[in-house]
Amino acid sequence: DTAVSQTPKYLVTQMGNDKSIKCEQNLGHDTMYWYKQDSKKFLKIMFSYNNKELIINETVPNRFSPKSPDKAHLNLHINSLELGDSAVYFCASSPRAGGNSPLHFGNGTRLTVT
Amino acid sequence: AQSVTQLGSHVSVSEGALVLLRCNYSSSVPPYLFWYVQYPNQGLQLLLKYTSAATLVKGINGFEAEFKKSETSFHLTKPSAHMSDAAEYFCAVSDRGGSQGNLIFGKGTKLSVKP
Repeated sequence: DTAVSQTPKYLVTQMGNDKSIKCEQNLGHDTMYWYKQDSKKFLKIMFSYNNKELIINETVPNRFSPKSPDKAHLNLHINSLELGDSAVYFCASSPRAGGNSPLHFGNGTRLTVT
Repeated sequence: AQSVTQLGSHVSVSEGALVLLRCNYSSSVPPYLFWYVQYPNQGLQLLLKYTSAATLVKGINGFEAEFKKSETSFHLTKPSAHMSDAAEYFCAVSDRGGSQGNLIFGKGTKLSVKP
């Protein structure tokens, strides 16, 4: 009954590989997000979808491609992984887009690129 | 553009002591402000939020924060620290006029609680 669930929890892979992270929310929220947290704990938004439509696309290498098959799911595919991609990736959701809508976070996916 | 500054990357208090975590914001319009907590190996959890109602906001786990426009601050306090409060705390700001809900996070403050 986890509200926002991500898989896998840990992902260890080699440079140049392609990998995906999946996210699902059962809160009935309209908006979903991907955030990246670096080794210094700094959190930065990457993407946001509202009802399956991309509404935020920050300056992220185009090796990162989000996909939202429905409003309860938001996946992140990463091509040609690089060492600098190592981080914790958090999925989040909110009832709606808009500045006063708090985020509900998943537990994160720790990606290690060797 | 909005921004958030958290003063002190690490704060250490004794159990039972006052907790004060500082956050200053910059925003061209009245902001929405949030505090989140992150326990080890977990995602962020909302502690409280300010959205222009009362300037003193009460949150979960005994935490509260006061919005002070004149000081552009939104400091987080708890009268008596508990060992279970040890975690990373993040202040965040969002553009009140924005329709996209883009939260800008501070760099976080790690709270340690000594027995």
